[in-house]
Amino acid sequence: GAVVSQHPSWVICKSGTSVKIECRSLDFQATTMFWYRQFPKQSLMLMATSNEGSKATYEQGVEKDKFLINHASLTLSTLTVTSAHPEDSSFYICSATTGKETQYFGPGTRLLVL
Amino acid sequence: QKEVEQNSGPLSVPEGAIASLNCTYSDRGSQSFFWYRQYSGKSPELIMFIYSNGDKEDGRFTAQLNKASQYVSLLIRDSQPSDSATYLCAVNKGEGNKLVFGAGTILRVKS
Repeated sequence: GAVVSQHPSWVICKSGTSVKIECRSLDFQATTMFWYRQFPKQSLMLMATSNEGSKATYEQGVEKDKFLINHASLTLSTLTVTSAHPEDSSFYICSATTGKETQYFGPGTRLLVL
Repeated sequence: QKEVEQNSGPLSVPEGAIASLNCTYSDRGSQSFFWYRQYSGKSPELIMFIYSNGDKEDGRFTAQLNKASQYVSLLIRDSQPSDSATYLCAVNKGEGNKLVFGAGTILRVKS
């Protein structure tokens, strides 16, 4: 149980384009989903907290207009990186909770912006 | 001071030995503590969590929590080469289930 999927697993795009990443909880309803970013050899950095039906809460320093988060249902949250630039290249990972504290992570999406 | 601190390692242990991974946290109000394992290029996977002072065992893994010392550890018994990974300590400070992660400790188990 507690399986989280992400799609796509890999994406390469040109600078200036937008990229959408999906995060799905497959066998449970996720009251909260979290989006993280991880640069090479660094730890996970929380970008935002997403609750179904409400606006995401962004961490300090994360541009909400650049990283659009939509949590349309209890099983799906999306992260859109708008006007991506090479410095946005990173490993984006989502996690989901059932309402309890434990976070279950998706497999991650590796983004490369050329 | 970082909120969650871990020795970056690498920690090298021989196969079959006990690996001891340590983590300290700064916020005394922290409520729960998690250990995740992350293989290179993969996302974290939950090993175990602990809420109360003392030890919690799950198979080859034992988590230890000492809130007075603001210290949490993970012991891995009978370490295997497949245990080689980065181990992330995470702390829930009670802010809407957000976790604060340490930078992780690289563990290498040599056969």
